[in-house]
Amino acid sequence: GAGVSQSPRYKVAKRGQDVALRCDPISGHVSLFWYQQALGQGPEFLTYFQNEAQLDKSGLPSDRFFAERPEGSVSTLKIQRTQQEDSAVYLCASSFVTSGGKNEQFFGPGTRLTVL
Amino acid sequence: SQQGEEDPQALSIQEGENATMNCSYKTSINNLQWYRQNSGRGLVHLILIRSNEREKHSGRLRVTLDTSKKSSSLLITASRAADTASYFCATDAPGTASKLTFGTGTRLQVTL
Repeated sequence: GAGVSQSPRYKVAKRGQDVALRCDPISGHVSLFWYQQALGQGPEFLTYFQNEAQLDKSGLPSDRFFAERPEGSVSTLKIQRTQQEDSAVYLCASSFVTSGGKNEQFFGPGTRLTVL
Repeated sequence: SQQGEEDPQALSIQEGENATMNCSYKTSINNLQWYRQNSGRGLVHLILIRSNEREKHSGRLRVTLDTSKKSSSLLITASRAADTASYFCATDAPGTASKLTFGTGTRLQVTL
C-alpha cells in the first residue's frame, strides 16, 4: 500500500502562531515516531507512540510541543506559539515492530516548517 | 543530540568509483542502520545490521560493523549519479523503545 504521508508538505507561520502537522503512517504499523531535522543536520528524535500510547516524549524540546495519536493510527504534532528556532523539517516514521526487533522505520517526506 | 559523527562530511567522486563513508557512535546498540536522503525528500532505509553481525551486503552496498570501536562503514560500489544524496547512520540502543539516533550525515556527490 501507500507509504507514510505527511501534510502539509510546507508550512510558513508567523512567530507566535500555532501549527499542526499531520502524519498518516503505513496501515497496520504499531510504532510511530516524530523527528526534527534542522538544516544540514541529522534527524533528532522527538517522541514515540506504540498504538495510541505515547511511550517516550523525552525529545520534545519544550512544553510548546505536543503530539497525539488518539486512535492508534494518524498522529498530529502541534507546536504552540511558534518561535524561529522551531524552523526545521519534521519527519514522521512508522514501524511494524516494537522494541527488540529489526527496527526498520519508514519515513514520510516531512513537513518543512518556516517560522518568520 | 546526535549519536555520533560521520566521516567525511562531504564526498565527491566520479561515476563508477566506489564511495566509502564512516560512522562512529557513542553507546551500546541493538542495530545500526543506514539511510539515504535525497534533497528535499524523506529518508529511505538502505540496510540494517544487528549488533552481533560484522558485515552485510545488499546489492552494491556493503556495511561493516565494529562494536569494539563503535564504528561502521558503508561502501557503495560502482557509484551512479543517482546515488547523489546524503547518507546517515542511525542506531537504536537497548531500552530506548527503538527510537533512532542519527549521525550528522555524509553528503555524497557523484558526477558523470
